[in-house]
This record gives sequence, C-alpha cells and structure tokens, in this order.
Amino acid sequence: KQEVTQIPAALSVPEGENLVLNCSFTDSAIYNLQWFRQDPGKGLTSLLLIQSSQREQTSGRLNASLDKSSGRSTLYIAASQPGDSATYLCAVHMDSNYQLIWGAGTKLIIKP
Amino acid sequence: GAGVSQSPRYKVAKRGQDVALRCDPISGHVSLFWYQQALGQGPEFLTYFQNEAQLDKSGLPSDRFFAERPEGSVSTLKIQRTQQEDSAVYLCASSLVRSQNIQYFGAGTRLSVL
Repeated sequence: KQEVTQIPAALSVPEGENLVLNCSFTDSAIYNLQWFRQDPGKGLTSLLLIQSSQREQTSGRLNASLDKSSGRSTLYIAASQPGDSATYLCAVHMDSNYQLIWGAGTKLIIKP
Repeated sequence: GAGVSQSPRYKVAKRGQDVALRCDPISGHVSLFWYQQALGQGPEFLTYFQNEAQLDKSGLPSDRFFAERPEGSVSTLKIQRTQQEDSAVYLCASSLVRSQNIQYFGAGTRLSVL
C-alpha cells in the first residue's frame, strides 16, 4: 500500500531564505506527483505536477524535483516571502489507480 | 463560475442529523472526486465519478455515506445519522477528462458534528 510522508510537519523561517520541503513515497510505481498549496479556509491549489518520466518542474520561484527510484520529491522555494505561508501537500497518482494519495503536509510560516 | 464551488462552506450538525453537501464542478469536467480531510491530515479519497457513473466508492467509511451525480455535473454527498467522527472538511475536486489529470479543488465544506 502506498504511503506518502512529508517532513518536516512544520517549518518557520525568516523572509528571504531559500527552503526545501520533502516528500517521500514507498511505492515507486507512480503515474505522477503533484505539489499543492492549502490556505486556511480555502481549497487546494495545484502548484506543480511532475510526470513519472520527468525529473523536475519549475514555476516562478518554485522548483519540484522527482527521484522516482528512491521514492523522493522535493519542493524548493527560492527567496521566500510572507505570502508563501501555507500548508504544502504532496500527492501521488499511481499507475494503476486514479486516486490521489496524500501526505499530511508541511505547515510553512515565513516570518517578515 | 470558473472554479469548483462547494456549499455550504460550514455546517454544524447535531449527532444523528442527516446532512447534504453540494459540489458544482467546473463546467465540462468529466471526473469528480470527493475527499475527507481531518484536522492536520492530508485528504483521504472517498469516491469517484466519471460523468454520472460512480466508478469507485471504496473510500466511503460506512453505509451512512452516500454520493450521487445524477446528471453528470452537480454532485451531492449525503451523510446520514452523523457521528462526531464525521467532523472534517469535505473537499470536492474535478478534472477535465482523464482521471489522472490535474484535479481542481473547491474550498471545501467544514462539517462539525456536536
């Protein structure tokens, strides 16, 4: 059974720092991996989607990498801003299934 | 509207009460998903529709949970005889065609059962 783990559960850093959020999964037979952002009282926003054949995706200050064989993905946020404060979740689609399987998220606080 | 819309945003129910949660997906989206998110956890899959067909309901936690999408657009998640453990945020998502496409999420309905 696929399990997705995110470390750390919470992170607080000063504004301007570059930071890395980690996501690991136990079954490498994934179809794709997505990073989402969740703001309190709001829905989930998809940030980046990486297909299983890709190694990374970039959008603005965000870069997500995927190492399928080792079961790891990282989300790199450059030059962090207070507006980046949110919970970041990773989720995987399996080859054999349409369900998204989720980590518990990393709560990020960027201090001004 | 342009996005997935869920109503109500908040629902407080007394234990034993029936509730109905509504989801309006993005127009033209074939696939629709319901998820349950407990506090501090990631969402858990409940059920999946392709048009009006419910293809997977394996995540529904008990037979008190029922979902429908009779005309292939709006969906309703119904919970009968609510229990305290049903308290959670219920998220709806839709995707364009293929089930493994990007899913677009609504803001969710926060259900509190007293």
